[in-house]
Amino acid sequence: GENVEQHPSTLSVQEGDSAVIKCTYSDSASNYFPWYKQELGKGPQLIIDIRSNVGEKKDQRIAVTLNKTAKHFSLHITETQPEDSAVYFCAASLGGADGLTFGKGTHLIIQP
Amino acid sequence: ETGVTQTPRHLVMGMTNKKSLKCEQHLGHNAMYWYKQSAKKPLELMFVYNFKEQTENNSVPSRFSPECPNSSHLFLHLHTLQPEDSALYLCASSLEGSTGELFFGEGSRLTVL
Repeated sequence: GENVEQHPSTLSVQEGDSAVIKCTYSDSASNYFPWYKQELGKGPQLIIDIRSNVGEKKDQRIAVTLNKTAKHFSLHITETQPEDSAVYFCAASLGGADGLTFGKGTHLIIQP
Repeated sequence: ETGVTQTPRHLVMGMTNKKSLKCEQHLGHNAMYWYKQSAKKPLELMFVYNFKEQTENNSVPSRFSPECPNSSHLFLHLHTLQPEDSALYLCASSLEGSTGELFFGEGSRLTVL
């Protein structure tokens, strides 16, 4: 089955700096890669996703890049703000929601 | 408000108790899920209901039993749990044939004494 590794487990950055979280996956057939953000006391919420037919996707301060050859994908957050503090999860699947395999999560801390 | 409501938000139970977690979705979705979230571990899929057909993770102990009476409601019945079952239990829903996005509830924090 699919295995997703996520690094780092904790990331502390100064407000205004950029943050990068990286994930690798094992199943070359995986073609859907979402990122979820979980704030304290809440459930995870989708913030951005990418499919294997594109290499990069942007949404304002958030971007995701995918390298299918190396089987890794990354989340980039620019101009970080205090409200970006949360736990971020990457995931991979063959396209369906019921096949998602999640990483262990990254606790992002934005220092004022 | 995500459209997925879980009750109770917090539950403390002894190992001999029987309790149930409830989930309700108001999004018109046709698939519902139970996930277990433990510290420093990946989200663990426990059960999936697609069009009311159940698929389960074979590693889930029988002391957890799901029930899906209709496409809007999902229950997780708990009995004779162990302290290691203490975790956040997340319900999610999705629309089959769509993008694959999961919509999560806020979770039920379970503590087993």
